[in-house]
Amino acid sequence: EVQLVESGGGLVQPGGSLRLSCAASGFTFSSYWMHWVRQAPGKGLVWVSRIDGDGSYTNYADSVKGRFTISRDNAKNTVYLQMHSLRAEDTAVYYCARDLKVTNWFDSWGQGTLVTVSS
Amino acid sequence: EIVLTQSPATLSLSPGERATLSCRASQSVGGYLAWYQQKRGQAPRLLLYDTSNRATGIPARFSGSGSGTDFTLTISILEPEDFAVYYCQHRSNWPLTFGQGTRLEIK
Repeated sequence: EVQLVESGGGLVQPGGSLRLSCAASGFTFSSYWMHWVRQAPGKGLVWVSRIDGDGSYTNYADSVKGRFTISRDNAKNTVYLQMHSLRAEDTAVYYCARDLKVTNWFDSWGQGTLVTVSS
Repeated sequence: EIVLTQSPATLSLSPGERATLSCRASQSVGGYLAWYQQKRGQAPRLLLYDTSNRATGIPARFSGSGSGTDFTLTISILEPEDFAVYYCQHRSNWPLTFGQGTRLEIK
């Protein structure tokens, strides 16, 4: 069974940093692209970032480019999202999602971790 | 950036009825459109991808159609568990974007 478990969310002040983790199990992690998608409270889904299977290629939404970095450790079956210079508008539930085999569709999702940026 | 506009914002129907949800793209996405279902307090679930391919485990009452800029998700006979928020998403280019969602509520 595919499982994705996010962690690392919490309350952080504006301008601060946070690192999210997503631990994967139940599939050959290194064979899959992985994504982060966020959802502000009561709002819709917003794609944040993608990383390919060996970590060579990444993509970012313009709203986070230069502030967020996606990475992965295939030995630990974990994908990360390092977030810097956080803003109030980054407040959201952050989901990690597995890619449906090099398609940019999201076929499995974690339960999400809440990031709140507030003073 | 491709903007996806979903309509209606809210759809009120009864179990047993047919639901038709729309997603319109600001420019052609070819057939590269997916639909997700999100229930309250849960993560989204992939329903359909590449317009009309059902994801693993998705019942046949969910179907998709369209191409270019206009797409439709149809639920042929609504079951009680189908009342949720539905999002469309494209993968035609970067950035990947979602529609704003359609809430399907019980009438």
